[in-house]
Amino acid sequence: EPEVTQTPSHQVTQMGQEVILRCVPISNHLYFYWYRQILGQKVEFLVSFYNNEISEKSEIFDDQFSVERPDGSNFTLKIRSTKLEDSAMYFCASRRSGVSYNEQFFGPGTRLTVL
Amino acid sequence: GDSVTQMEGPVTLSEEAFLTINCTYTATGYPSLFWYVQYPGEGLQLLLKATKADDKGSNKGFEATYRKETTSFHLEKGSVQVSDSAVYFCALSIKETSGSRLTFGEGTQLTVNP
Repeated sequence: EPEVTQTPSHQVTQMGQEVILRCVPISNHLYFYWYRQILGQKVEFLVSFYNNEISEKSEIFDDQFSVERPDGSNFTLKIRSTKLEDSAMYFCASRRSGVSYNEQFFGPGTRLTVL
Repeated sequence: GDSVTQMEGPVTLSEEAFLTINCTYTATGYPSLFWYVQYPGEGLQLLLKATKADDKGSNKGFEATYRKETTSFHLEKGSVQVSDSAVYFCALSIKETSGSRLTFGEGTQLTVNP
């Protein structure tokens, strides 16, 4: 069964450093998402991406964040200058196009630790 | 804005007990409703969904009915197992929004003891 994959599973970085989190969505999916979950808190939407552009973003997704689909398979989240409060689990998700296909499939997540 | 409220946890039950996790929502449009489950150390998995009023989603013995009149989508299971121990998230998405983002509840930690 196809699945969303994410790398790395755990990333440790120093405050102020740039990090890139990688995701490979399911191959015939056209909508891509990033969510984050700070430890012990709810899962929060960051951004959605369709047709090579951002379709929606939350107030969390400020200028420090960017997303890219550099090739036909990868979908990345970049944090330019990490802060302590960026420490969280980051989940990538994807879904098919069309209003009937509203189920999002999630990857296993990348745990980001900012020291 | 859109929001989802889940019953406060954690919930601890004995094996074969009846489970109910309450979920209510507010939405600006007509939402689809979901229950996701997160097993320890894993990502989110879709457990069940319902896309219109009075629909019942079901999977692995879990059920939830979309109640528009009470804006609720309560999760139930008649007889829980130890393997059901996980965090359960209620969520909604609005089809009319361009990205159909998911809005999640706080999550409910379920522990089932043998």
